[in-house]
Amino acid sequence: DADVTQTPRNRITKTGKRIMLECSQTKGHDRMYWYRQDPGLGLRLIYYSFDVKDINKGEISDGYSVSRQAQAKFSLSLESAIPNQTALYFCATSDPPLSEQYFGPGTRLTVT
Amino acid sequence: AQSVTQLDSQVPVFEEAPVELRCNYSSSVSVYLFWYVQYPNQGLQLLLKYLSGSTLVKGINGFEAEFNKSQTSFHLRKPSVHISDTAEYFCAVSDAGNNRKLIWGLGTSLAVNP
Repeated sequence: DADVTQTPRNRITKTGKRIMLECSQTKGHDRMYWYRQDPGLGLRLIYYSFDVKDINKGEISDGYSVSRQAQAKFSLSLESAIPNQTALYFCATSDPPLSEQYFGPGTRLTVT
Repeated sequence: AQSVTQLDSQVPVFEEAPVELRCNYSSSVSVYLFWYVQYPNQGLQLLLKYLSGSTLVKGINGFEAEFNKSQTSFHLRKPSVHISDTAEYFCAVSDAGNNRKLIWGLGTSLAVNP
């Protein structure tokens, strides 16, 4: 079984809808991250969490919110989806003191 | 602030040829350096990393990278590529302090042609 899972893998939604992307991990890591990937823009950090009570905004948090329900679960919400949020979204985990991050398979989100 | 520059957005190469993907970084503190690979329609996986010690780092699938502190570079190389190496490659850097967030380059698309 995969160590980092994301659901759904693909989602098409309409402008204005609320949507939640979920991430679960079995690696036992405290740190979790949400990124979005757009062609030519690389990976951009949306939110990150160093533990259940420590959640931080990344470089592009506007329009997004997160919830860290447990050490193993980190959800990303789009309160009112807009077309420019169409992207590939990745969840990742890491275990300090190392910096290496472990990625989920991604969620492809399309907002029409 | 730290930053990462991948000097080539696309690198076309023929099968069995050598390849070098270039990565430069800027940082005023000690760093850890990483290369990740993203195969089509997949997530990212770690190719190799430099934390300390030998500046020549070997990774999976025959790739290696050399850390050059004076030139602030961490170029990725493979002596002979295969079609299956076609993928997006990302260079990343983190500080060696408590934060440890990764700063990412924009990626290099490697296309291996027969």
